[in-house]
Amino acid sequence: SQQGEEDPQALSIQEGENATMNCSYKTSINNLQWYRQNSGRGLVHLILIRSNEREKHSGRLRVTLDTSKKSSSLLITASRAADTASYFCATDALGSNYKLTFGKGTLLTVNP
Amino acid sequence: DGGITQSPKYLFRKEGQNVTLSCEQNLNHDAMYWYRQDPGQGLRLIYYSQIVNDFQKGDIAEGYSVSREKKESFPLTVTSAQKNPTAFYLCASSKRPGQPNQPQHFGDGTRLSIL
Repeated sequence: SQQGEEDPQALSIQEGENATMNCSYKTSINNLQWYRQNSGRGLVHLILIRSNEREKHSGRLRVTLDTSKKSSSLLITASRAADTASYFCATDALGSNYKLTFGKGTLLTVNP
Repeated sequence: DGGITQSPKYLFRKEGQNVTLSCEQNLNHDAMYWYRQDPGQGLRLIYYSQIVNDFQKGDIAEGYSVSREKKESFPLTVTSAQKNPTAFYLCASSKRPGQPNQPQHFGDGTRLSIL
């Protein structure tokens, strides 16, 4: 079952612009994680935010978590062509024995 | 460099054939996972293992089998019972099983197609 659902499904922006992707989920979580996948490659872990955290930063990435709305957002600032990839949220749901459930992803295209 | 190695990168299966996908890690991680990814979809968990000689079914285990005889290795066999095996298969690992807040590290996948 898909716990997280990303929105939008696809996003196309110009280099230098900011990109925002959203994730909604259904059940209570231990944490929420964001991953990036370049075409034909494996996933790369970007950032993990715990259920008691509201915001986290890592370089050009900013993640927010609103547990009351069961939603998270990933902001990439000053985007680059190299940021072109699919971005997935994954939830570690309470009672799941710490297994991750992935959404379908947002395909981000950054045009030079 | 530590990491996860999946092989082969591309694999073709004939009708009625079992095929085995290799996954090896040198990260000294205890937990390992197999996921299936279909086009435009997220990842679905096939099997996972938290310790050597032990593994559990994920959400879509039917038609698949695994073994975990060594900490470093977690091969996945796609059996002839899996009628729709065409997909991208990803192996992952994490440091401590049964613990929260563990990121997963992924290999670069094996793309399986039917001949």
